[in-house]
Amino acid sequence: GENVEQHPSTLSVQEGDSAVIKCTYSDSASNYFPWYKQELGKRPQLIIDIRSNVGEKKDQRIAVTLNKTAKHFSLHITETQPEDSAVYFCAAYAGGSYIPTFGRGTSLIVHP
Amino acid sequence: SQTIHQWPATLVQPVGSPLSLECTVEGTSNPNLYWYRQAAGRGLQLLFYSVGIGQISSEVPQNLSASRPQDRQFILSSKKLLLSDSGFYLCACQATGPQETQYFGPGTRLLVL
Repeated sequence: GENVEQHPSTLSVQEGDSAVIKCTYSDSASNYFPWYKQELGKRPQLIIDIRSNVGEKKDQRIAVTLNKTAKHFSLHITETQPEDSAVYFCAAYAGGSYIPTFGRGTSLIVHP
Repeated sequence: SQTIHQWPATLVQPVGSPLSLECTVEGTSNPNLYWYRQAAGRGLQLLFYSVGIGQISSEVPQNLSASRPQDRQFILSSKKLLLSDSGFYLCACQATGPQETQYFGPGTRLLVL
């Protein structure tokens, strides 16, 4: 089955800095990679996703890049703000699967 | 777009008591439905998933069970709760088919004492 590793487990940045979270996956047939943000006490919410036919996708301050050869994908947040503080989860869907494999999560702390 | 309802929002139960958590979905038909548990400060553990009425797959052995009596209703149950059942229970919905986006309900916070 698919295996997803997410790093770092904790990331502390100053407001205005950039933050990068990286995930690696094991199944070369995986082709859909969503990212979720979970604020304290709330549900995970989809913030951006990417499919294997593109290498990069942007949405305002958030971007995701995918390297299929190396089997890793990354979340990039620019100009971080205190409200970006949350736990971020990556996920990967193996080819033909309807069950995502989630990373263990990254706790992002943005200091004002 | 779909809307996912879960209730109750919070629940405090004694050890050994029964449990019933309900999840209902609006705005979609024949979805795949999922139950996850999240311990405090931890990741998402998939408990059960269902691709149709009466079809339940279990991911981990435990004292919990799930049922899907209607297309857009998913129920998580236990006959006797354990302390280790405490956690944040999330229902998720996904359109039929592979590599569809999964959306989460608001969750039920369960504390077993």
